[in-house]
Amino acid sequence: NAGVTQTPKFQVLKTGQSMTLQCAQDMNHEYMSWYRQDPGMGLRLIHYSVGAGITDQGEVPNGYNVSRSTTEDFPLRLLSAAPSQTSVYFCASSRLAGAYEQYFGPGTRLTVT
Amino acid sequence: GENVEQHPSTLSVQEGDSAVIKCTYSDSASNYFPWYKQELGKGPQLIIDIRSNVGEKKDQRIAVTLNKTAKHFSLHITETQPEDSAVYFCAASKTSYDKVIFGPGTSLSVIP
Repeated sequence: NAGVTQTPKFQVLKTGQSMTLQCAQDMNHEYMSWYRQDPGMGLRLIHYSVGAGITDQGEVPNGYNVSRSTTEDFPLRLLSAAPSQTSVYFCASSRLAGAYEQYFGPGTRLTVT
Repeated sequence: GENVEQHPSTLSVQEGDSAVIKCTYSDSASNYFPWYKQELGKGPQLIIDIRSNVGEKKDQRIAVTLNKTAKHFSLHITETQPEDSAVYFCAASKTSYDKVIFGPGTSLSVIP
């Protein structure tokens, strides 16, 4: 099993550009989520999905879109990048939502200039 | 919604001493409380968790305690070693079909 994979590892964007952060898992997990990690702020939930076709907003959803067309993939889209979106992004998955271990990907470091 | 606070934000201990990290949560319906460890440059990994029907859980040098009445839970690491140096996150959720909310993290340094 590869676990949770994320691409790219690093990305630099100019303000206003769009891009998609990719996340995939091969563990047949129903629950997937995206977090951003900023110094002193911990892990803040952006969006999450309890299964294919179902997504919901987390704590900081503004400026981000998600979709879940398959169980394996959960891409995060930045429609118009802003410097405030400079952060490290982590994707995670677990067997079900709630009381199950989450497996995190290696992260994507995004810089918006 | 759920809010999780965590203290201290940084903690330095001598090798062999104990370390304690404390968290509080706001939603009395939360009943699952995991702890994650994040080493430099990596994603967080689960180290221990506790459910609301249990007051304490131990795994070798790590223990977690839960006080549901006061809505707080703590991580205890005994006989700390340099490899315990990392960022530790507490989190809270309800058991089924609910998102997991993390605390802001504690950076632990174990001084040899």
